[in-house]
Amino acid sequence: DQQVKQNSPSLSVQEGRISILNCDYTNSMFDYFLWYKKYPAEGPTFLISISSIKDKNEDGRFTVFLNKSAKHLSLHIVPSQPGDSAVYFCAASDGPNTNAGKSTFGDGTTLTVKP
Amino acid sequence: DGGITQSPKYLFRKEGQNVTLSCEQNLNHDAMYWYRQDPGQGLRLIYYSQIVNDFQKGDIAEGYSVSREKKESFPLTVTSAQKNPTAFYLCASSTSLRLSSNTEAFFGQGTRLTVV
Repeated sequence: DQQVKQNSPSLSVQEGRISILNCDYTNSMFDYFLWYKKYPAEGPTFLISISSIKDKNEDGRFTVFLNKSAKHLSLHIVPSQPGDSAVYFCAASDGPNTNAGKSTFGDGTTLTVKP
Repeated sequence: DGGITQSPKYLFRKEGQNVTLSCEQNLNHDAMYWYRQDPGQGLRLIYYSQIVNDFQKGDIAEGYSVSREKKESFPLTVTSAQKNPTAFYLCASSTSLRLSSNTEAFFGQGTRLTVV
């Protein structure tokens, strides 16, 4: 049973528009969520995170929203730029004593931003 | 320039052979991890280590082995017992415990292993 799901394998948006990437989880013990960005043949790089005590975290063009009751989070990118084209992974971890890097990952969403 | 280095970038192995993937970090992180990525899938945890001389199995440890003799190094051996070893392998490191502020894993560039 996949505990972190990204139901959209791909998303295509026009440059300057908003990109919304979605993620659902099933494990109610998850309390810390991260988004990573990955280019082909490279390792993921951290983008933004959110703790379950918050419902929103913003960093520049990137905002993550968390809806705990729905077990759903989303990443908003505004405005989208061609350089944002990459695979985006949602990840979740449980418990404050969990190792920071020990996360459960979704399958990723490939974002393409068209000029 | 701190970071995490994996080598080699590409590796070819004959069936039945063991092969070791290297991972070194100079971030002074206590914890290190090995993940595997298959096409169209997310990252799955193979092994992780919270401290030197200690490591735990992840979700897909069968057919793999690790060692953690030094804080900086966490090599992964893909043994002949791993039935489907062809994949992209990612090493990561992080602080040992999650801190109150943003805490994340730092990943290497990956090693693509192909069994021929």
